[in-house]
Amino acid sequence: NAGVTQTPKFQVLKTGQSMTLQCAQDMNHEYMSWYRQDPGMGLRLIHYSVGAGITDQGEVPNGYNVSRSTTEDFPLRLLSAAPSQTSVYFCASSYLGGRGYGYTFGSGTRLTVV
Amino acid sequence: AQKITQTQPGMFVQEKEAVTLDCTYDTSDQSYGLFWYKQPSSGEMIFLIYQGSYDEQNATEGRYSLNFQKARKSANLVISASQLGDSAMYFCAMREGGDAGGTSYGKLTFGQGTILTVHP
Repeated sequence: NAGVTQTPKFQVLKTGQSMTLQCAQDMNHEYMSWYRQDPGMGLRLIHYSVGAGITDQGEVPNGYNVSRSTTEDFPLRLLSAAPSQTSVYFCASSYLGGRGYGYTFGSGTRLTVV
Repeated sequence: AQKITQTQPGMFVQEKEAVTLDCTYDTSDQSYGLFWYKQPSSGEMIFLIYQGSYDEQNATEGRYSLNFQKARKSANLVISASQLGDSAMYFCAMREGGDAGGTSYGKLTFGQGTILTVHP
């Protein structure tokens, strides 16, 4: 099915471990972004990309790295997990001209850091 | 500085009645886009409605309409004829910059959300 695929759906990490959250889209969208959702705070932008090879920081980038080597993939790396990174993570992609319908979200990854 | 404000943490409505969810925003851009998303308990983000800052008409999508008051910087969501399945979290979001693209195009700023409960 076309859309944004996030893996894994659930993950438990120990403090200090590293991991990569995967995000892939098959819609040839130029723009991709990562958000985290915490209770009472809505979704906050972590990193985003306007195309392959181009990334930039969002509102809460500390502790996370991204790269975009292809149009399709935009992985999010946690370098050394901390309990404060316990959250639900959403990947989204978008294309020019789609206005509202042009934005597609993945189903989310629920991460717990113990 | 908070750019999207949703002042109603929770709202209750009777089935078949209309409900308005409030959203105010702050931006210095002349071109921007406003979105509403629904997040049911299953967690996915469902797009509901979009309003461009230069759109002359208020956006409508079925039972959803967006009451856009540009001078007041408000973009309230109106749900008509509420249904039990409308019970969910609702987020207002903004994209700064126009529909033509640019570095801000893929970036959305979200409000804190409003939990809507529809009573039978």
